[in-house]
Amino acid sequence: GESVGLHLPTLSVQEGDNSIINCAYSNSASDYFIWYKQESGKGPQFIIDIRSNMDKRQGQRVTVLLNKTVKHLSLQIAATQPGDSAVYFCAEIPTGGGNKLTFGTGTQLKVEL
Amino acid sequence: GAVVSQHPSRVICKSGTSVKIECRSLDFQATTMFWYRQFPKKSLMLMATSNEGSKATYEQGVEKDKFLINHASLTLSTLTVTSAHPEDSSFYICSASSKTGYYEQYFGPGTRLTVT
Repeated sequence: GESVGLHLPTLSVQEGDNSIINCAYSNSASDYFIWYKQESGKGPQFIIDIRSNMDKRQGQRVTVLLNKTVKHLSLQIAATQPGDSAVYFCAEIPTGGGNKLTFGTGTQLKVEL
Repeated sequence: GAVVSQHPSRVICKSGTSVKIECRSLDFQATTMFWYRQFPKKSLMLMATSNEGSKATYEQGVEKDKFLINHASLTLSTLTVTSAHPEDSSFYICSASSKTGYYEQYFGPGTRLTVT
């Protein structure tokens, strides 16, 4: 059967507030990082990416921060909207790993009205 | 652009039968396609990587005789779950990347397989 384990970490925010979703990655040699959004029953959707030679990148309402010293990645969503409710995954591509993605465990974002 | 489709979106099959899932890149040529498996409230687990015209590369612990992957053209890859059992029930997701967008993977909408 399917495995049973810990529930996804959940972040609850009020509509209009800013959200910060964190991710710790394991491979210090990773070259490329991506944030994906996954709505229930759907495939992951690309949000934003960042290369290891950068520490910040901004998109529309989203910002990704990369701290290579502590191997930490964060996704900031400004003015969170109900449509932002989903599971968010970080993913990394190690240097020399081709283009194989390794996904993090994910965070469930719930936007409360 | 960069649309990936999967068919079927949902399938229910009896234990012991085989099920084929198709992954198509609709508006680009996918030199590489990836197959993932996802359990409820869990992350995506890479099963295998397939390049057009060559054999798939399976991740450790994934049975290649159980999960047959064919990447016959630059727009189509198929995953066949052979002799399915209830423990194969899962959400299967494919992704595709092109030679020009090396790091970019475009994901399909997923296929929910239920084995009874």
